[in-house]
Amino acid sequence: DQQVKQNSPSLSVQEGRISILNCDYTNSMFDYFLWYKKYPAEGPTFLISISSIKDKNEDGRFTVFLNKSAKHLSLHIVPSQPGDSAVYFCADDMRFGAGTRLTVKP
Amino acid sequence: ETGVTQTPRHLVMGMTNKKSLKCEQHLGHNAMYWYKQSAKKPLELMFVYNFKEQTENNSVPSRFSPECPNSSHLFLHLHTLQPEDSALYLCASSQFRQGDYGYTFGSGTRLTVV
Repeated sequence: DQQVKQNSPSLSVQEGRISILNCDYTNSMFDYFLWYKKYPAEGPTFLISISSIKDKNEDGRFTVFLNKSAKHLSLHIVPSQPGDSAVYFCADDMRFGAGTRLTVKP
Repeated sequence: ETGVTQTPRHLVMGMTNKKSLKCEQHLGHNAMYWYKQSAKKPLELMFVYNFKEQTENNSVPSRFSPECPNSSHLFLHLHTLQPEDSALYLCASSQFRQGDYGYTFGSGTRLTVV
Protein backbone atom coordinates (compact mmCIF):
# COMPACT_ATOMS: atom_id res chain seq x y z
CA ASP A 1 0.00 0.00 0.00
CA GLN A 2 1.35 3.39 -0.98
CA GLN A 3 2.09 5.52 2.08
CA VAL A 4 2.55 8.75 0.16
CA LYS A 5 0.25 9.63 -2.72
CA GLN A 6 0.41 12.34 -5.33
CA ASN A 7 -2.80 12.01 -7.31
CA SER A 8 -2.03 14.58 -9.99
CA PRO A 9 0.57 13.31 -12.45
CA SER A 10 0.90 16.70 -14.13
CA LEU A 11 0.18 20.39 -13.67
CA SER A 12 0.54 23.28 -16.08
CA VAL A 13 0.55 26.93 -15.00
CA GLN A 14 1.36 30.29 -16.54
CA GLU A 15 4.55 32.11 -15.57
CA GLY A 16 3.95 34.46 -12.67
CA ARG A 17 0.97 32.52 -11.34
CA ILE A 18 0.83 30.24 -8.32
CA SER A 19 1.58 26.51 -8.61
CA ILE A 20 -0.01 24.25 -6.01
CA LEU A 21 1.18 20.66 -5.74
CA ASN A 22 -0.65 18.26 -3.46
CA CYS A 23 0.25 15.18 -1.49
CA ASP A 24 -1.61 12.82 0.86
CA TYR A 25 -0.05 10.49 3.38
CA THR A 26 -1.24 7.64 5.56
CA ASN A 27 1.40 7.30 8.28
CA SER A 28 1.45 10.10 10.87
CA MET A 29 4.47 8.86 12.81
CA PHE A 30 7.13 10.75 10.87
CA ASP A 31 8.72 13.91 12.23
CA TYR A 32 9.18 15.58 8.85
CA PHE A 33 7.68 15.70 5.41
CA LEU A 34 9.80 16.74 2.48
CA TRP A 35 9.55 17.96 -1.10
CA TYR A 36 12.09 17.17 -3.79
CA LYS A 37 12.52 18.50 -7.31
CA LYS A 38 13.82 16.42 -10.20
CA TYR A 39 15.07 17.52 -13.61
CA PRO A 40 15.50 15.00 -16.46
CA ALA A 41 18.72 12.95 -16.31
CA GLU A 42 19.39 14.08 -12.73
CA GLY A 43 18.59 12.66 -9.31
CA PRO A 44 15.99 14.39 -7.10
CA THR A 45 17.23 17.37 -5.11
CA PHE A 46 15.88 18.34 -1.72
CA LEU A 47 13.71 21.46 -1.87
CA ILE A 48 11.95 22.13 1.42
CA SER A 49 10.72 20.27 4.49
CA ILE A 50 8.15 20.78 7.21
CA SER A 51 8.15 19.52 10.77
CA SER A 52 5.08 17.55 11.79
CA ILE A 53 4.55 20.00 14.67
CA LYS A 54 4.19 22.94 12.29
CA ASP A 55 1.54 23.79 9.73
CA LYS A 56 3.59 26.04 7.46
CA ASN A 57 7.19 26.49 6.35
CA GLU A 58 8.30 29.16 3.92
CA ASP A 59 11.53 29.51 1.95
CA GLY A 60 11.54 32.26 -0.63
CA ARG A 61 9.03 31.47 -3.36
CA PHE A 62 8.30 28.03 -1.88
CA THR A 63 5.85 27.39 0.96
CA VAL A 64 4.76 24.03 2.27
CA PHE A 65 1.52 23.64 4.21
CA LEU A 66 0.67 20.69 6.44
CA ASN A 67 -2.88 19.74 7.41
CA LYS A 68 -2.47 16.97 9.95
CA SER A 69 -6.15 16.28 10.44
CA ALA A 70 -6.56 15.67 6.71
CA LYS A 71 -3.12 14.01 6.37
CA HIS A 72 -2.43 16.35 3.50
CA LEU A 73 0.44 18.58 2.52
CA SER A 74 0.84 21.00 -0.34
CA LEU A 75 3.68 22.92 -1.96
CA HIS A 76 2.97 26.45 -3.19
CA ILE A 77 5.31 28.13 -5.63
CA VAL A 78 4.69 31.80 -6.21
CA PRO A 79 5.43 33.37 -8.55
CA SER A 80 6.06 30.36 -10.79
CA GLN A 81 8.98 30.60 -13.22
CA PRO A 82 9.80 28.53 -16.32
CA GLY A 83 12.88 27.17 -14.51
CA ASP A 84 10.54 25.58 -11.97
CA SER A 85 9.41 23.10 -14.64
CA ALA A 86 10.38 19.71 -13.23
CA VAL A 87 8.92 16.69 -11.46
CA TYR A 88 8.13 17.29 -7.79
CA PHE A 89 8.08 14.47 -5.25
CA CYS A 90 6.76 14.56 -1.71
CA ALA A 91 8.21 12.14 0.85
CA ASP A 92 7.86 11.06 4.46
CA ASP A 93 11.41 10.19 5.44
CA MET A 94 12.22 7.27 3.11
CA ARG A 95 8.97 6.81 1.13
CA PHE A 96 8.21 8.91 -1.95
CA GLY A 97 5.11 9.72 -3.93
CA ALA A 98 4.85 9.08 -7.67
CA GLY A 99 5.62 12.70 -8.50
CA THR A 100 3.82 15.56 -10.25
CA ARG A 101 5.25 17.00 -13.44
CA LEU A 102 5.01 20.80 -13.30
CA THR A 103 5.20 22.80 -16.51
CA VAL A 104 5.43 26.57 -16.23
CA LYS A 105 4.64 28.26 -19.53
CA PRO A 106 6.26 31.61 -20.43
CA GLU B 1 34.58 15.42 -6.10
CA THR B 2 31.58 16.44 -4.07
CA GLY B 3 28.09 15.09 -3.52
CA VAL B 4 26.93 11.64 -4.54
CA THR B 5 28.49 10.04 -7.60
CA GLN B 6 27.01 7.04 -9.40
CA THR B 7 28.68 4.94 -12.08
CA PRO B 8 27.98 3.97 -14.74
CA ARG B 9 25.37 6.48 -15.93
CA HIS B 10 23.99 4.00 -18.45
CA LEU B 11 24.14 0.21 -18.52
CA VAL B 12 22.75 -2.33 -20.97
CA MET B 13 23.00 -5.93 -19.88
CA GLY B 14 21.70 -9.31 -20.97
CA MET B 15 19.64 -11.48 -18.65
CA THR B 16 22.58 -13.82 -18.03
CA ASN B 17 25.12 -11.09 -17.29
CA LYS B 18 26.55 -10.03 -13.94
CA LYS B 19 27.21 -6.36 -13.39
CA SER B 20 27.59 -3.94 -10.49
CA LEU B 21 26.42 -0.39 -9.88
CA LYS B 22 28.66 1.85 -7.79
CA CYS B 23 27.81 4.78 -5.55
CA GLU B 24 30.21 7.04 -3.67
CA GLN B 25 29.43 9.94 -1.35
CA HIS B 26 31.81 12.65 -0.16
CA LEU B 27 29.45 14.34 2.31
CA GLY B 28 30.39 12.58 5.53
CA HIS B 29 26.93 11.02 5.75
CA ASN B 30 26.39 7.83 7.72
CA ALA B 31 23.43 6.37 5.79
CA MET B 32 23.12 5.28 2.17
CA TYR B 33 20.13 4.09 0.16
CA TRP B 34 19.23 2.39 -3.11
CA TYR B 35 16.03 3.40 -4.88
CA LYS B 36 14.45 2.15 -8.08
CA GLN B 37 12.46 4.44 -10.34
CA SER B 38 10.33 2.76 -12.98
CA ALA B 39 8.25 4.68 -15.49
CA LYS B 40 5.14 6.28 -13.95
CA LYS B 41 5.69 4.63 -10.58
CA PRO B 42 6.82 6.07 -7.24
CA LEU B 43 10.42 5.88 -6.20
CA GLU B 44 10.75 2.44 -4.61
CA LEU B 45 13.04 2.09 -1.62
CA MET B 46 15.20 -1.02 -2.06
CA PHE B 47 17.88 -1.04 0.62
CA VAL B 48 19.01 1.11 3.55
CA TYR B 49 22.44 1.04 5.13
CA ASN B 50 23.09 2.85 8.40
CA PHE B 51 26.71 2.93 9.57
CA LYS B 52 27.46 0.14 7.03
CA GLU B 53 24.79 -2.12 8.49
CA GLN B 54 21.77 -3.02 6.38
CA THR B 55 18.72 -1.83 8.28
CA GLU B 56 16.09 -2.35 5.63
CA ASN B 57 15.52 -4.70 2.72
CA ASN B 58 12.26 -3.77 1.10
CA SER B 59 11.35 -7.26 -0.20
CA VAL B 60 13.81 -6.97 -3.04
CA PRO B 61 14.45 -10.11 -5.16
CA SER B 62 17.74 -11.88 -4.46
CA ARG B 63 18.99 -11.12 -7.99
CA PHE B 64 19.79 -7.69 -6.50
CA SER B 65 22.58 -7.90 -3.93
CA PRO B 66 23.80 -4.78 -2.09
CA GLU B 67 27.21 -4.28 -0.55
CA CYS B 68 28.37 -1.46 1.73
CA PRO B 69 32.07 -1.85 2.53
CA ASN B 70 32.24 1.53 4.33
CA SER B 71 30.03 4.54 4.96
CA SER B 72 31.21 6.25 1.75
CA HIS B 73 30.67 3.45 -0.77
CA LEU B 74 27.65 1.43 -1.80
CA PHE B 75 27.33 -1.18 -4.51
CA LEU B 76 24.41 -2.98 -6.10
CA HIS B 77 25.39 -6.30 -7.65
CA LEU B 78 23.11 -7.52 -10.41
CA HIS B 79 22.72 -11.03 -11.82
CA THR B 80 20.16 -12.89 -13.94
CA LEU B 81 17.95 -9.82 -14.19
CA GLN B 82 14.64 -9.68 -16.02
CA PRO B 83 13.51 -7.10 -18.60
CA GLU B 84 11.08 -5.65 -16.02
CA ASP B 85 14.11 -4.70 -13.92
CA SER B 86 14.93 -2.02 -16.48
CA ALA B 87 14.68 1.27 -14.60
CA LEU B 88 16.61 4.21 -13.20
CA TYR B 89 18.53 3.15 -10.09
CA LEU B 90 19.23 5.99 -7.69
CA CYS B 91 21.63 6.11 -4.79
CA ALA B 92 21.20 8.58 -1.94
CA SER B 93 22.93 9.46 1.30
CA SER B 94 22.00 11.32 4.48
CA GLN B 95 22.63 11.65 8.16
CA PHE B 96 20.40 8.81 9.34
CA ARG B 97 17.05 10.08 10.60
CA GLN B 98 18.04 13.75 10.22
CA GLY B 99 14.85 14.09 8.29
CA ASP B 100 14.59 17.84 7.89
CA TYR B 101 17.61 18.10 5.59
CA GLY B 102 16.48 15.41 3.20
CA TYR B 103 18.61 13.09 1.16
CA THR B 104 21.30 13.85 -1.38
CA PHE B 105 20.79 11.81 -4.52
CA GLY B 106 23.17 10.83 -7.27
CA SER B 107 22.24 11.24 -10.92
CA GLY B 108 21.31 7.59 -11.22
CA THR B 109 22.18 4.65 -13.44
CA ARG B 110 19.80 4.02 -16.33
CA LEU B 111 19.66 0.21 -16.59
CA THR B 112 18.28 -1.62 -19.60
CA VAL B 113 17.96 -5.41 -19.45
CA VAL B 114 17.73 -7.06 -22.86
